[in-house]
Amino acid sequence: EAGVVQSPRYKIIEKKQPVAFWCNPISGHNTLYWYRQNLGQGPELLIRYENEEAVDDSQLPKDRFSAERLKGVDSTLKIQPAELGDSAVYLCASSVYEENTEAFFGQGTRLTVV
Amino acid sequence: SQKIEQNSEALNIQEGKTATLTCNYTNYSPAYLQWYRQDPGRGPVFLLLIRENEKEKRKERLKVTFDTTLKQSLFHITASQPADSATYLCALQTGANNLFFGTGTRLTVIP
Repeated sequence: EAGVVQSPRYKIIEKKQPVAFWCNPISGHNTLYWYRQNLGQGPELLIRYENEEAVDDSQLPKDRFSAERLKGVDSTLKIQPAELGDSAVYLCASSVYEENTEAFFGQGTRLTVV
Repeated sequence: SQKIEQNSEALNIQEGKTATLTCNYTNYSPAYLQWYRQDPGRGPVFLLLIRENEKEKRKERLKVTFDTTLKQSLFHITASQPADSATYLCALQTGANNLFFGTGTRLTVIP
């Protein structure tokens, strides 16, 4: 069974440019998370979806970040415009919607803003 | 404010010894606490989950304790091996099913 798939693996952009990350969760997983991880830090939750509904986006910087999960499967996270401080690894994770289950992570997208 | 702190950024131990990692939290009421392993360039991988009403959980060489009074979890790796070298993350799962991660501890097992 395929795991969580993220693309691209790496992205280098100039500041003020837009960028988008894509995530395909494990089939049947209705919970999807987006995290940002800075070097040497733990993952920071940005947004959580239950099916197509964003049930918690309180940590998402809404002035420049947006996310969508159309049809409750794939998800896209967008930054527009990107700033130097957005350089980080963006991780996607999925799980079954039960209270005691693990999250499965993709390999992440490493974003460098120059 | 809410915080999840892991005792040290880096921990070095000798092969064969027991590694003990600490996770402390404030202003959370987790229903579950999870531990993950993360290797460089990879996403975190789940290791163990413990419920708020459980004191201890074991899996092979791993042991986790959870003290909701102290707001602390301890993660032990017995008979450590160089292959155990990685960053270990604790994560609190709230009743709303959000998963919040700690800062991580980078463990190095020296042969």
